[in-house]
Amino acid sequence: RKEVEQDPGPFNVPEGATVAFNCTYSNSASQSFFWYRQDCRKEPKLLMSVYSSGNEDGRFTAQLNRASQYISLLIRDSKLSDSATYLCVVNMGSGGGADGLTFGKGTHLIIQP
Amino acid sequence: EPEVTQTPSHQVTQMGQEVILRCVPISNHLYFYWYRQILGQKVEFLVSFYNNEISEKSEIFDDQFSVERPDGSNFTLKIRSTKLEDSAMYFCASNPFTEAFFGQGTRLTVV
Repeated sequence: RKEVEQDPGPFNVPEGATVAFNCTYSNSASQSFFWYRQDCRKEPKLLMSVYSSGNEDGRFTAQLNRASQYISLLIRDSKLSDSATYLCVVNMGSGGGADGLTFGKGTHLIIQP
Repeated sequence: EPEVTQTPSHQVTQMGQEVILRCVPISNHLYFYWYRQILGQKVEFLVSFYNNEISEKSEIFDDQFSVERPDGSNFTLKIRSTKLEDSAMYFCASNPFTEAFFGQGTRLTVV
């Protein structure tokens, strides 16, 4: 069974803090990995793809550990607008566009002023 | 910025009725998808579509569901005989190759 597991939270953190999420995936042959954010009753929005070498986009850093089959997301200097549900998403096929994505249930983040 | 658009935003239908959900993917994308999200649950893959045919489908996508790309722009999901448990948010997505972009969703309520 293809699964992506995340800590559902909620994570309550003060504005300006650093917060980290992890997720694990079941299929070792998975090729593509992503973090999406989802606001309440809205569509998932791509935050960043996750590459083997790790990648950074502003305050956001994503890491992939293939040996342990986990992915992480680090948010530095958190803003009130970062409050959302963060979805760990894995393409468990060959990594191409024809494959469906497997979503985790999401980690709920609340940034407090 | 180009985006995936879905209509209607909300549809209420009686159990047993057919519904068609509509999507206009981003124009130069090659892959199209339907996902659903039951309230409070995770996003679930239904079907992917490439080169005018289904490339992959999940166990959720049974004979009650069908997809079509009737012209060069629209992509539709039909549910033939809706059940109460079909109530969910249905998201269309499109993908140029590896990264999927989602529409704002259609909330389907079956009563």
